[in-house]
Amino acid sequence: GENVEQHPSTLSVQEGDSAVIKCTYSDSASNYFPWYKQELGKRPQLIIDIRSNVGEKKDQRIAVTLNKTAKHFSLHITETQPEDSAVYFCAASPKRGSTLGRLYFGRGTQLTVWP
Amino acid sequence: KAGVTQTPRYLIKTRGQQVTLSCSPISGHRSVSWYQQTPGQGLQFLFEYFSETQRNKGNFPGRFSGRQFSNSRSEMNVSTLELGDSALYLCASSFSGPTMNTEAFFGQGTRLTVV
Repeated sequence: GENVEQHPSTLSVQEGDSAVIKCTYSDSASNYFPWYKQELGKRPQLIIDIRSNVGEKKDQRIAVTLNKTAKHFSLHITETQPEDSAVYFCAASPKRGSTLGRLYFGRGTQLTVWP
Repeated sequence: KAGVTQTPRYLIKTRGQQVTLSCSPISGHRSVSWYQQTPGQGLQFLFEYFSETQRNKGNFPGRFSGRQFSNSRSEMNVSTLELGDSALYLCASSFSGPTMNTEAFFGQGTRLTVV
């Protein structure tokens, strides 16, 4: 089955700096890649996603890039703010009948933004 | 539009007991997935239901079971509880479809503690 690796596991940045989180996946059938942000004690919230027919997607300070050939995708947060501090999860979902609806998650990255 | 609702929010059970958790998806969503979240293992996939049928199943023992009703509400049941079942149980709903993945939105989770 699909295997998603996420790095780094922890990331500390100064307010205003950029943060990059990287994920790799193993199943070439994966075609949907969402990113979730989970603040302490709260539910994971979808912040951005990308499909395999697109190389990059941007939403204000957040962007995601996808390299299908290398099977990796990354989350970029610019001009970080203390409220960006949270655990971020990447996920992949193969377009295959037997696995539709299933998300394979990375282990998460604890991002801390220092004021 | 109401979000994904999980009940109860907190549960304390003793070893050997059984428990039933409930998830009401976003109106119009037909897919409901269940995940177990623990500090050491991250988000582990339990199973996914689509139109009352289990479409995917993760690598959990048979003590973990689920079902989905005609209104898309879902329940999961854990029998013969073990201490290691203590975790946050999250459900996610998506519109999904027979051939594509769509955005998944999480409920706030049920915190299960087994003593």
